[in-house]
This record gives sequence, C-alpha cells and structure tokens, in this order.
Amino acid sequence: GAGVSQSPSNKVTEKGKDVELRCDPISGHTALYWYRQSLGQGLEFLIYFQGNSAPDKSGLPSDRFSAERTGGSVSTLTIQRTQQEDSAVYLCASSLGSSQETQYFGPGTRLLVL
Amino acid sequence: DQQVKQNSPSLSVQEGRISILNCDYTNSMFDYFLWYKKYPAEGPTFLISISSIKDKNEDGRFTVFLNKSAKHLSLHIVPSQPGDSAVYFCAASDGPYKYIFGTGTRLKVLA
Repeated sequence: GAGVSQSPSNKVTEKGKDVELRCDPISGHTALYWYRQSLGQGLEFLIYFQGNSAPDKSGLPSDRFSAERTGGSVSTLTIQRTQQEDSAVYLCASSLGSSQETQYFGPGTRLLVL
Repeated sequence: DQQVKQNSPSLSVQEGRISILNCDYTNSMFDYFLWYKKYPAEGPTFLISISSIKDKNEDGRFTVFLNKSAKHLSLHIVPSQPGDSAVYFCAASDGPYKYIFGTGTRLKVLA
C-alpha cells in the first residue's frame, strides 16, 4: 500500500507568516510522529500521537508550534509567526503501534523562511 | 547536548570493500538502537535494529554491533555497493517510541 505522504514538498514563506504542513500516515498505523531536521543536525523529535491518547508534545520548540491529528489519521503541524530559524525539513513518520515498532517516514516538507 | 553522536560526517569506500559507520551515545538507559538510510529528497528508511540484550544483529550484507560498555555501535556493510551511497543515521531509544537521532554519516561507495 501507499507509504507516508506529506504536503507540500517545499514551502517558502516570509518571516512572520503562519504555515501548515500536512501528513498522511500509512493506513492502519495508530502512531504518528513529527521530526525536524535542521541543516547539519540530526532528526529532532517534535511530537507524538498514539491513538486517542493525549499527544506527547515535549519536543515542540516553542508555543508557536502546534499539531493536531484528526480522526486518528491525518495530522497537521502548524507553525505560527514563522522565524528564519524554523527553516528545516519537517518529517512525519508513522508506525503500527508505539512499542518500539519500526517508524516509516514520509519524504518530508522542506520549509524555507525568508 | 548530543546524546547520539556520529563523528564522521562522511565516508568513502571502494565498491566491494567493507563500510563501517560508527555511532556513540551517552545515555546508558538507551535499550534499543536503529540504523536508518536516507536518499536525497526521500524520508529515512529503516535498515536494521538491535536490542541492548544483544551485541550483534545481522541482516544480509548489514550487521550492527553493539558495545554497551563503550556506549558504541557500528554498522558494517559488506560488500559495499554503489546503491548503498546515502546518508546513514543511527538512533537510540530509552522508551517505547521516542528516538534520538545522530547527525548522520554520508557514505559514498565508489565504483
């Protein structure tokens, strides 16, 4: 079946604008993750959703970042009042469950804040 | 503070030879380790994993070694092929889902 998809693949925005990034996980996967990879850095955990449980938001870098997952499927990561340091590749992953299941990644959204 | 470190940003290896990618970690509570491979413009793909109760796991041409006392793991690829050219990330976990990733090593296999 289809893998994890993300849209848009690239996004250029001006500083101060809001952006929304979308993730469609693999069908049937209950766990969904957002990561960020800044230039020269590893993948940085942002947020984790598992079923109907409260998400783990411990990785969100500031209150300008938020994410939701509707109907246990599609997720949207929103960055408000974007800053230049938000420029990065934002990666979404999903897994069957949460217990050290293999995480399958989407291709990412490359965000550039001018 | 980087809990998972890949100190070699790049590595070049001749086709057919062994590629050895290294990873060091600082948190002794990590109990599960993974390697992911990433091609340009694609998301990382899972390659191989190892639990802390083992010191070696093998899958075809790929073998991961874990040295818990040294807090070190390595990925061996033998024989290396040009299609193995990619960025390799190691990751570690101390819980059910939260992975800590290294900064990656770019492997180039020369034909």
